[in-house]
Amino acid sequence: DSGVTQTPKHLITATGQRVTLRCSPRSGDLSVYWYQQSLDQGLQFLIQYYNGEERAKGNILERFSAQQFPDLHSELNLSSLELGDSALYFCASSGRTSVEQYFGPGTRLTVT
Amino acid sequence: GEDVEQSLFLSVREGDSSVINCTYTDSSSTYLYWYKQEPGAGLQLLTYIFSNMDMKQDQRLTVLLNKKDKHLSLRIADTQTGDSAIYFCAENSNYQLIWGAGTKLIIKP
Repeated sequence: DSGVTQTPKHLITATGQRVTLRCSPRSGDLSVYWYQQSLDQGLQFLIQYYNGEERAKGNILERFSAQQFPDLHSELNLSSLELGDSALYFCASSGRTSVEQYFGPGTRLTVT
Repeated sequence: GEDVEQSLFLSVREGDSSVINCTYTDSSSTYLYWYKQEPGAGLQLLTYIFSNMDMKQDQRLTVLLNKKDKHLSLRIADTQTGDSAIYFCAENSNYQLIWGAGTKLIIKP
């Protein structure tokens, strides 16, 4: 158990809908990262927050957005969902040095 | 551009050593990582190495880094059935991890 929690574990929704994925980092970690894992694209970095502020942005679509709240939990919002958004979405957290990233169990999103 | 490459499969006999290889392209990466993913599970940080090191050993795991060739390897000694998983190599670049496609380790009895 990494100490990073993600909810929900599974999500099934229809095209065009909007969903919110939630992540709670390990106790004391200030950084939260979001990654997408799909069969065709592999693992891709989406976005990082550090203590509430966006720090780095990767291959995140404009339909996707994220935020980190004062209690350090983070949410990833996915809107206007398409079939190709079906994937595993991982959250990771790290401490001040950002050297070690610890991953949550992931949320499996299925868009039908 | 940034690209991390790994072979997709490795098959070894139980008890033998497994060596999983990886090449990366970003010479400014300060850390290189190995993660393990078991079926239906998340990503487990196995080990990482600082770019100014050549080798790091942690119990059954040995990481070798050849910075000149941008080559990273993970050796698992005495491979067990519980080592069956996908192993991902990753490099850090501008606060993000850039990932290989993963090597599926298959253990033969």
